[in-house]
Order: sequence, then structure tokens, then C-alpha cells
Amino acid sequence: AQRVTQPEKLLSVFKGAPVELKCNYSYSGSPELFWYVQYSRQRLQLLLRHISRESIKGFTADLNKGETSFHLKKPFAQEEDSAMYYCAPAGGGADGLTFGKGTHLIIQP
Amino acid sequence: NAGVMQNPRHLVRRRGQEARLRCSPMKGHSHVYWYRQLPEEGLKFMVYLQKENIIDESGMPKERFSAEFPKEGPSILRIQQVVRGDSAAYFCASSPVRGQVSEQFFGPGTRLTVL
Repeated sequence: AQRVTQPEKLLSVFKGAPVELKCNYSYSGSPELFWYVQYSRQRLQLLLRHISRESIKGFTADLNKGETSFHLKKPFAQEEDSAMYYCAPAGGGADGLTFGKGTHLIIQP
Repeated sequence: NAGVMQNPRHLVRRRGQEARLRCSPMKGHSHVYWYRQLPEEGLKFMVYLQKENIIDESGMPKERFSAEFPKEGPSILRIQQVVRGDSAAYFCASSPVRGQVSEQFFGPGTRLTVL
């Protein structure tokens, strides 16, 4: 069965500090991996996807197949990064995404 | 482009009634996904549809739940004889192409409360 784990329900860091949001997955095959973000009073939206190898708003995510992890990182957090972050693998035979429970990131001034 | 539209935003039903949730995908998108989010949980995939076809319903409960995406009009998620456990936020997403690498664009959700 496909599973994704985001171990931190809440993560609070100070502005300017590094941020790492953890994501571990258990999947058959080689899933494609996404991070989605939901800012306050906004819709869920794509932040970045593994296949694009991109950096969005200073965030990057590295796929570690050995550890089956896809942690999201940013070297210097900003207050506008405060949001709910969801790790979401796709694949494993189903067409939809599998979302983790999410991590609520709070950036303190 | 107004984005994915869902209505109603809030729906209250008594046990045993029917709930109908509507989703209008983004213009040009013919792929629709429905997800359910229970309290304190992540979004759970329910069903994937293309126009007039259900492609993947592996996440749909076997009873009382159905979905359609007609040739004309919005996609509908229908829950018959609702029970308190159906109380959740239901999200619709659309994409321009099928595929597990395609970005999905989400609607604002419909919050269903069953009394």
C-alpha cells in the first residue's frame, strides 16, 4: 500500500533560520513526487515537483531513493513561508496523489 | 481563468439525506480528481474522471458514493444516505493532461457537515 509520512505536525522556526520539512514514502515502483502548499485562506497549490528539479521560492527537495525520502528545504526562512505543506507522491498504479497529513510551518519574526 | 470552482462551499445535511457536490474544472481541463479530507488527516484520493468516463475509482467507498463528469456541465460527487462519518472537506482538482507528472489545480473545497 502507498504510504507517505510527514512526521512533524507543527514546525516553528525563526525568520532567517534554515527549514527542513521531512517526508518519507513507501511506494511500489518509482513514484513521481510533489510538494503542495496551502497559505492561509488560499487554495492548495503546487510548490514544486521532483521531475522539474526546480527551486521555487527558495525551496528545494532532494529525492533519496535509498531512504525513500523527499525532504523540503530552504536555507533562510521568511515570514511569508508560513503555511501548511503537504508531501504528495503520485503513482503506484493509482491516478491520484497520496497526501501526507501535512506540516504546519510557522515562521516567527 | 477563474480556476477550479466548487459549490456549495458549505453543505449541511441530516443523516439519511443526499449530498451533491459540484466541481467545474479549469477551462481546457478534461481531467478531474476528487479528494476527501477528514479532520486531522491528509487529503485522500477518491476518484479520477475524464469526460463521461470514470478512469480510476480505487479510493471511492463501495457504497453510497458515486461520481460523474458528463459531457456538458460540472463533475458531480454524490453521497446518498449520508452518515456522520461523511463529514469532511471534499476537494476537486483538475489537470490539462492525464498523468502522474501533471500539476493538479485545486478548488476551494466543499465542507460537508452531517447532523
